[in-house]
Amino acid sequence: RKEVEQDPGPFNVPEGATVAFNCTYSNSASQSFFWYRQDCRKEPKLLMSVYSSGNEDGRFTAQLNRASQYISLLIRDSKLSDSATYLCVVNMNFNKFYFGSGTKLNVKP
Amino acid sequence: NAGVMQNPRHLVRRRGQEARLRCSPMKGHSHVYWYRQLPEEGLKFMVYLQKENIIDESGMPKERFSAEFPKEGPSILRIQQVVRGDSAAYFCASSPAGTAYNYGYTFGSGTRLTVV
Repeated sequence: RKEVEQDPGPFNVPEGATVAFNCTYSNSASQSFFWYRQDCRKEPKLLMSVYSSGNEDGRFTAQLNRASQYISLLIRDSKLSDSATYLCVVNMNFNKFYFGSGTKLNVKP
Repeated sequence: NAGVMQNPRHLVRRRGQEARLRCSPMKGHSHVYWYRQLPEEGLKFMVYLQKENIIDESGMPKERFSAEFPKEGPSILRIQQVVRGDSAAYFCASSPAGTAYNYGYTFGSGTRLTVV
């Protein structure tokens, strides 16, 4: 079983739609969690950290469910510029992060 | 404040040659991490270094790959006798001491290695 698993998509949604991605992780001792965004052939960029209580940053909401070992990302009012691959990232060993393979989002006009 | 700088951006090597990838961390960052991304796959951890120390190299292939982060100068990822399967994007990330756990990494733009 992979350390971090994501649905590869693609998710094709119209502008203005709400879309949600889930990600599951295998190690219950995992300690910190992040969502990164990666545009085609570019480096991953940190989108947001994920806290146990859930957190929101503008149109983006991240949640963590430790009991079920999954994290989620909700994007409201999708913009064309949100089209990218979203990477779920889990820290299991202090400084070593495990990346999911990513979920591709296409927002269409 | 310059970000994480990687060079070259693109590198083409023939099978059997050596590839050297360089990474200069952000100013004030003392921790460097190397990741590899194969086409259509996620990033895979390779090695974690501090100045003059390899902290965790559990993701490094046992042969042909080595990494260093000298007291002066950039971190170097070295691949000897490259094979076609080494073709990938290699990303370097850096963080200040002890903060990656809470704040994540900052990545460089990557080096895309093509072995022909």
